[in-house]
Amino acid sequence: DSGVTQTPKHLITATGQRVTLRCSPRSGDLSVYWYQQSLDQGLQFLIQYYNGEERAKGNILERFSAQQFPDLHSELNLSSLELGDSALYFCASSLTGGVQPQHFGDGTRLSIL
Amino acid sequence: ELKVEQNPLFLSMQEGKNYTIYCNYSTTSDRLYWYRQDPGKSLESLFVLLSNGAVKQEGRLMASLDTKARLSTLHITAAVHDLSATYFCAVVGYNNNDMRFGAGTRLTVKP
Repeated sequence: DSGVTQTPKHLITATGQRVTLRCSPRSGDLSVYWYQQSLDQGLQFLIQYYNGEERAKGNILERFSAQQFPDLHSELNLSSLELGDSALYFCASSLTGGVQPQHFGDGTRLSIL
Repeated sequence: ELKVEQNPLFLSMQEGKNYTIYCNYSTTSDRLYWYRQDPGKSLESLFVLLSNGAVKQEGRLMASLDTKARLSTLHITAAVHDLSATYFCAVVGYNNNDMRFGAGTRLTVKP
């Protein structure tokens, strides 16, 4: 058990909808990362937060947004969903977001119908 | 733009043999990660490599980094079935903190 909790585990929705994925980092970790894994695009880094502030941004679409709250949990919001957004979304956390190992959650599988 | 190439993409090995997975990247990097993913599972961090000549070892896996050649290797020694998984490298670009992943190497270790 990595200590990182992601909810929900599965999400099925339709095109054009909006969903929110939630991540609770491991106790004591200040940094949260979001990743997307799909057959088409492989693994992609989306965004990183450290103690509530955005630290790094990767291939995150404008339709997607994220934030990290004062209690350090994070949410990834996906809007105007398209079929191509179907993927596994992973959250990871690390102590400070530097060179420490990242601890991954089990992921949220998003299916767009 | 930072690009990361891994090879081979598929690797079938016999138990007890040695092999190396290669990770090439296109621009100056800040650090490089290796991850493992079992089928249907999440990712597991294996190594973080920072500087030129860095070498890290854990069990039968050893990772190294040559920043001048923009190359990292993951060497597998005396493979065992439990090492069967997909291995990814990921590179963090220098000065922009963006991270790019390789396509992954699916390793199968056969008895």
